[in-house]
Parts: sequence; C-alpha cells; structure tokens
Amino acid sequence: GESVGLHLPTLSVQEGDNSIINCAYSNSASDYFIWYKQESGKGPQFIIDIRSNMDKRQGQRVTVLLNKTVKHLSLQIAATQPGDSAVYFCAENILTGGGNKLTFGTGTQLKVEL
Amino acid sequence: DADVTQTPRNRITKTGKRIMLECSQTKGHDRMYWYRQDPGLGLRLIYYSFDVKDINKGEISDGYSVSRQAQAKFSLSLESAIPNQTALYFCATSETRDRYNEQFFGPGTRLTVL
Repeated sequence: GESVGLHLPTLSVQEGDNSIINCAYSNSASDYFIWYKQESGKGPQFIIDIRSNMDKRQGQRVTVLLNKTVKHLSLQIAATQPGDSAVYFCAENILTGGGNKLTFGTGTQLKVEL
Repeated sequence: DADVTQTPRNRITKTGKRIMLECSQTKGHDRMYWYRQDPGLGLRLIYYSFDVKDINKGEISDGYSVSRQAQAKFSLSLESAIPNQTALYFCATSETRDRYNEQFFGPGTRLTVL
C-alpha cells in the first residue's frame, strides 16, 4: 500500500534559526498536501497546504515546497521560536471510491533550544 | 479547535467494558472522521462519515463501531475494550466542497484500557 513517511523523527534547532522538516510520499496520484502542527495535549492544527499543481507556497513564517519528481515535501519555518516546538505531520490527499481521504505521516518532533 | 469538541477528554476503563467517545462540531461540516494516534504511528483512520446516512470503514475499524446521529455529532464505540486500544483518539471534520479538504481536529480523548 501507499504510505507517507518522514525522514527524521526529531529535529533540534536553535531559536532564531530556520527549520526544515521533510516528508516523502509514495502515491503519485496524491494531489493535495497539508502540514499540521500538534502541540502537547492538543489536536493537530492546520499550518499550510499545497496543491500538486504548485511547487511552492508561502504563509506567515512558513513555506511548503513540493517536488513531485522525487515525491518530496518540505516545511520550512523561518526564525524558529520556542512556540514552534511541537510535532509536525504531513498528510496527503488521495481520491478514492469513497471520496477524498487524508493519509498522515508518522510525525517529526521539533525542539527549539534557547 | 474549539468548534470541534470531544468528551470525555480522559478515560480509564477495564478490559471488556463498553466505551463510547463523543464528538460534536459547530462548524456545519458534513464530513466527520475518527482517528487513533499511537506513538510512532501517526494518525490512523478508524471510521468516517460524509453525511448523516453515510458510514465508512477506515484502515483500522476492527473492534470499533460508530454512529452519526446528526450532522453535528459522531460517536465512536468500543463494544468490548482491550488493552491494545489504549491510545489517543481524535475526531475531525471537513467541508464537502471540493477535493481539497483540510480537516479540523478536536482536542482528543486519551483512553486507557487496563
């Protein structure tokens, strides 16, 4: 079956540095991708999304890059802050007979060091 | 997201007991989902519903059942709880607009089966 996976389970960065979280996907039919942030004790929160007809999308301090050739997705966080400490998940949207469904990666723990 | 609520937030029960987890939403979304989260495994889909009369199995539906009583409510039941159902459970909702549908998550229910 298809799967979504993350390269690194834990990423430690210094406050103020940029963070890059990577995600590999294997379903070439996936046409929509989302990054979620999950803080301790809370449910996942939407950060940014990108459709497969785009290579890059920017939000406030975050950028998502999509490389369809190698089926790779990344989340870049500029000027990382302590409040960015969380687990980050990528998810891919797959159209099935039952409608659209999201498949989630296993998550990367981002730790911001002061 | 305060628009998606889950009850209870924490529950400890014994093997063999019947447990019901409730989810309510005020977002007016047609689609609702139940996920399970285990350490290192990300979010896995248990059941989903695209409207009141629609129930679909996800990837790990064995041992679970659901009820969509109204557009705003989606409950998950464990008919006879077992220890390996100890996990974090999340409810999510999304709109029925197009194929690009971000999901909004509730705060989660931590279930422990002894």
